[in-house]
Amino acid sequence: GAGVSQSPSNKVTEKGKDVELRCDPISGHTALYWYRQRLGQGLEFLIYFQGNSAPDKSGLPSDRFSAERTGESVSTLTIQRTQQEDSAVYLCASSLELRGGQPQHFGDGTRLSIL
Amino acid sequence: GQQVMQIPQYQHVQEGEDFTTYCNSSTTLSNIQWYKQRPGGHPVFLIQLVKSGEVKKQKRLTFQFGEAKKNSSLHITATQTTDVGTYFCAGSRAGNTGKLIFGQGTTLQVKP
Repeated sequence: GAGVSQSPSNKVTEKGKDVELRCDPISGHTALYWYRQRLGQGLEFLIYFQGNSAPDKSGLPSDRFSAERTGESVSTLTIQRTQQEDSAVYLCASSLELRGGQPQHFGDGTRLSIL
Repeated sequence: GQQVMQIPQYQHVQEGEDFTTYCNSSTTLSNIQWYKQRPGGHPVFLIQLVKSGEVKKQKRLTFQFGEAKKNSSLHITATQTTDVGTYFCAGSRAGNTGKLIFGQGTTLQVKP
């Protein structure tokens, strides 16, 4: 597609359930990023992937959070045993490569609400 | 860890007034990027600054990167209602240039 695609756009689930969020980056973009944005807040870095290199997981807030990426395509962010503080918009971005100067292109995000 | 602070958090201006947001990093940055997020939308890349003391302009927007590469500013001249949104700076460090640390953003409201 022309841009970064994320699904679902909205997800409402009960506390304690697992959720899986999906991101389709722009074709040809080797770098992929996940961010969390709480209401009225900035972007909190979670994880990034670059090609076949080991991902930088330094932003994942707990071991309930994990992410995978197959090659240079789709990525999934999984949150296990969700808690109310996980409610936020989860944004995915991709860029041409992992180096300074490459603009990040964002998807529309998944709005996650934990009841 | 590395922090990027942005002020003010909110700014309300009358249409036609100028607006400035400031970004400060606790560490020297390799480069800094600016993004704009419209209400209900996602961040959109505006510009990148790399060189010490660099100044770039986009129509009514002027971006500066400090001499020490620790601070930056975005100035909008004669604001318009289309400028409404949240402006984020995002910096990266040398050696880890792909990882951006975002500021908290400045939300601009423009009264017509």
